[in-house]
Amino acid sequence: QVQLVESGGGVVQPGRSLRLSCAASGFSFRSYGMHWVRQAPGKGLEWVAVISFDGNNKYYADSVKGRFAISRDNSKSTLYLQMIGLRPDDTAVYYCAKDMGSNSNDYYGLDVWGQGTTVTVSS
Amino acid sequence: DIQMTQSPSSLSASVGDRVTITCRASQSISNYLDWYQQKPGKAPKLLISATSSLQSGVPSRFSGSGFGTDYTLTINSLQPEDFATYFCQQSYNVPLTFGGGTEVAVK
Repeated sequence: QVQLVESGGGVVQPGRSLRLSCAASGFSFRSYGMHWVRQAPGKGLEWVAVISFDGNNKYYADSVKGRFAISRDNSKSTLYLQMIGLRPDDTAVYYCAKDMGSNSNDYYGLDVWGQGTTVTVSS
Repeated sequence: DIQMTQSPSSLSASVGDRVTITCRASQSISNYLDWYQQKPGKAPKLLISATSSLQSGVPSRFSGSGFGTDYTLTINSLQPEDFATYFCQQSYNVPLTFGGGTEVAVK
């Protein structure tokens, strides 16, 4: 079945780095844009970043620009989020999500979500 | 960036009620509006894409409408499993932005 499984979360001190992974299965990963979305404790959803199906286009929320980097390995059906300079306000559940649009540089609804991985930034 | 204003932030309703949630964009988003349902401790679930396209498996009591800047999610005959938080999201351009959410609670 179509599935996304995140990993790599944990507790990290401010200023440190972390890399999240998202393993995809059950669909043609290389054909779809992929997103990261986060949710701070008790808060709403915040879109973080998107990468196009071919990896050539990447966009970020202003809150993470310059600190986070999204990437993908289509040969491994895996999405990544490299996070550096982590701050306490980066504490959240991080979800990866599949875009509905295939082979497109436009973005649509996010129709498949992982279960999330928790990142806690604290000294 | 496009701002999404969702209202109300919470509401109380009973099983069988009709519930309406609205979302207003800070500029026209040409129907690039999606609705999600989230239950505690779970990932969001896409209910409706492109304003009114019901996702496979989503009950027909859910419907979406709107155009320009104003959009609506309607739940007809609220069921026990519908008590949850609902979010709108625009996919007209990046950065994608979400509304603040509407918690639908038991009256």
